[in-house]
Amino acid sequence: AQKITQTQPGMFVQEKEAVTLDCTYDTSDQSYGLFWYKQPSSGEMIFLIYQGSYDEQNATEGRYSLNFQKARKSANLVISASQLGDSAMYFCAMREGGGATNKLIFGTGTLLAVQP
Amino acid sequence: DSGVTQTPKHLITATGQRVTLRCSPRSGDLSVYWYQQSLDQGLQFLIQYYNGEERAKGNILERFSAQQFPDLHSELNLSSLELGDSALYFCASSERPTRGGAKTQYFGPGTRLLVL
Repeated sequence: AQKITQTQPGMFVQEKEAVTLDCTYDTSDQSYGLFWYKQPSSGEMIFLIYQGSYDEQNATEGRYSLNFQKARKSANLVISASQLGDSAMYFCAMREGGGATNKLIFGTGTLLAVQP
Repeated sequence: DSGVTQTPKHLITATGQRVTLRCSPRSGDLSVYWYQQSLDQGLQFLIQYYNGEERAKGNILERFSAQQFPDLHSELNLSSLELGDSALYFCASSERPTRGGAKTQYFGPGTRLLVL
């Protein structure tokens, strides 16, 4: 069965520093997608970044980048120049299924606290 | 704002009751997904609809049911409610998945259900 593992329950980072949130996954599929979502204390789930299993380049979206290491089955999120507004819960997720089935399985999340 | 709307934002009810959660997907999205987020189970996929038809089912209880209407909005019905059903219920929508493509799911703000 497919599985997402986030081993860091919580992390601190100083404002303006970079931080890496770890995510490892387990799947026997050749084609899959990996996602990161942010959940602030207000509760909404905000899409941050996507990496396809066949993408040769690591995905980047502004201050977010995804360090994709396929052989190690890891998809770590890197946030550069942390801001106070980055304090939130971060979830790694993987698409399960193929074709028109597109359900996501989520890790347990990492709570990031950015300190001034 | 993801473009996905959910109503109501909060719902307080008693055990044994029935409630209906409503979701409107982003304009043009045909797929709707329901997720449950609880402290003990984390984020779990419940069910997916595509253009009115059920496409995938997760760990959805028999007391729960959903449907997607011709105008593409979706409703999640929860009946015979128990204390353990208290959770944040998310609806998400995405474009039509393509072969090998994992379409991004955009989440609504969620409905926070409290069963007393």
